[in-house]
Amino acid sequence: NAGVTQTPKFQVLKTGQSMTLQCAQDMNHEYMSWYRQDPGMGLRLIHYSVGAGITDQGEVPNGYNVSRSTTEDFPLRLLSAAPSQTSVYFCASSFSGTGGLDGYTFGSGTRLTVV
Amino acid sequence: GQSLEQPSEVTAVEGAIVQINCTYQTSGFYGLSWYQQHDGGAPTFLSYNGLDGLEETGRFSSFLSRSDSYGYLLLQELQMKDSASYFCAVRDSPKGSTLGRLYFGRGTQLTVWP
Repeated sequence: NAGVTQTPKFQVLKTGQSMTLQCAQDMNHEYMSWYRQDPGMGLRLIHYSVGAGITDQGEVPNGYNVSRSTTEDFPLRLLSAAPSQTSVYFCASSFSGTGGLDGYTFGSGTRLTVV
Repeated sequence: GQSLEQPSEVTAVEGAIVQINCTYQTSGFYGLSWYQQHDGGAPTFLSYNGLDGLEETGRFSSFLSRSDSYGYLLLQELQMKDSASYFCAVRDSPKGSTLGRLYFGRGTQLTVWP
């Protein structure tokens, strides 16, 4: 009963490097999202997916890329890391996608530092 | 677009009652949710209001007034473990679909003193 699993938990990158943050869920949820959390800014939506093969942009998509080849996995790619991308990244999934009574289930987060 | 406003900090003592307010502006409205996040942890779902009125879950209650674009989270019999950040969230209504996009306020840091 893993829920939403994010890897790695911590990462340090140099400016200009690329990397992929992994997210997997075992609850057969169609809806998955990526958020970043910065002090005083709350959770901001980066990209989201309503099912395999379907993705769309959120509030702050620039510098990030996503794909959804399976229901279970929703990786987030940083194309060329910048210090402004230093943040805590959360992946979330939902059965209904409505934000209603079933709520969103969040992973434990990836703490990324770009130097 | 959407915006959510909530106080940045609230403090209270153990055993007290505290109310965290949230006002919102959205292009369409599909309910107000609340999440709790302890320091270093992940957000966890607390409650949801799709219709006007009060929803109660143990020591926590949540209220919604759609006509006022306003809701609140009420925490009773406060305990030290309730010290956390609390976020309100709404679903956006982009053209063509309303599913999958949940937007959060900036969070209210609740500190409970002994």
